[in-house]
Amino acid sequence: AQTVTQSQPEMSVQEAETVTLSCTYDTSESDYYLFWYKQPPSRQMILVIRQEAYKQQNATENRFSVNFQKAAKSFSLKISDSQLGDAAMYFCAYRSFPYNNDMRFGAGTRLTVKP
Amino acid sequence: GAVVSQHPSRVICKSGTSVKIECRSLDFQATTMFWYRQFPKQSLMLMATSNEGSKATYEQGVEKDKFLINHASLTLSTLTVTSAHPEDSSFYICSAPSVGNQPQHFGDGTRLSIL
Repeated sequence: AQTVTQSQPEMSVQEAETVTLSCTYDTSESDYYLFWYKQPPSRQMILVIRQEAYKQQNATENRFSVNFQKAAKSFSLKISDSQLGDAAMYFCAYRSFPYNNDMRFGAGTRLTVKP
Repeated sequence: GAVVSQHPSRVICKSGTSVKIECRSLDFQATTMFWYRQFPKQSLMLMATSNEGSKATYEQGVEKDKFLINHASLTLSTLTVTSAHPEDSSFYICSAPSVGNQPQHFGDGTRLSIL
């Protein structure tokens, strides 16, 4: 079974600075998808960014980017120019191919943004 | 707008009560839906996968007689917590798969509190 590990229970960043959240995963599959979700206090799951394993290029969405290292099974999230609204729980998630498989989540990282 | 509607968003009831949670896919058909449970300050854990027209698949350790799942149509899956007890208090969230590399569509969750 696939497992997702987030080794940072909590992280803190100063507003406007950059922070990187770590995620590693274990799988024997070659095709899969990786995601980062943000969960604010409302507990709504908000997609931040996604990456297909077959793509070598790292995904980028505005201030959010990933460092995907397939061989190392690492999938870190970098948040640039941090904003107060970025404060939330962040979950790394893995989904097998094909599309209708469930997601496996890491334990989460609570991000605090200091003004 | 939301593509998965989950209802109710909040339930408070007495111990021994059965509670039904609905998850509807809006403007698309979902042959599969996933039910997750999230305890405070923890990650989302898959409870079961509901399949339209067939029995749900439960994860190890999840009591299928306790958590009844019905996927009666291509747009509706329900989770019934039978004879709920305080230890069943949690945040329950459903999701429906999309296609290809698209992420799952999450409902907004149900906060269940058993007194």
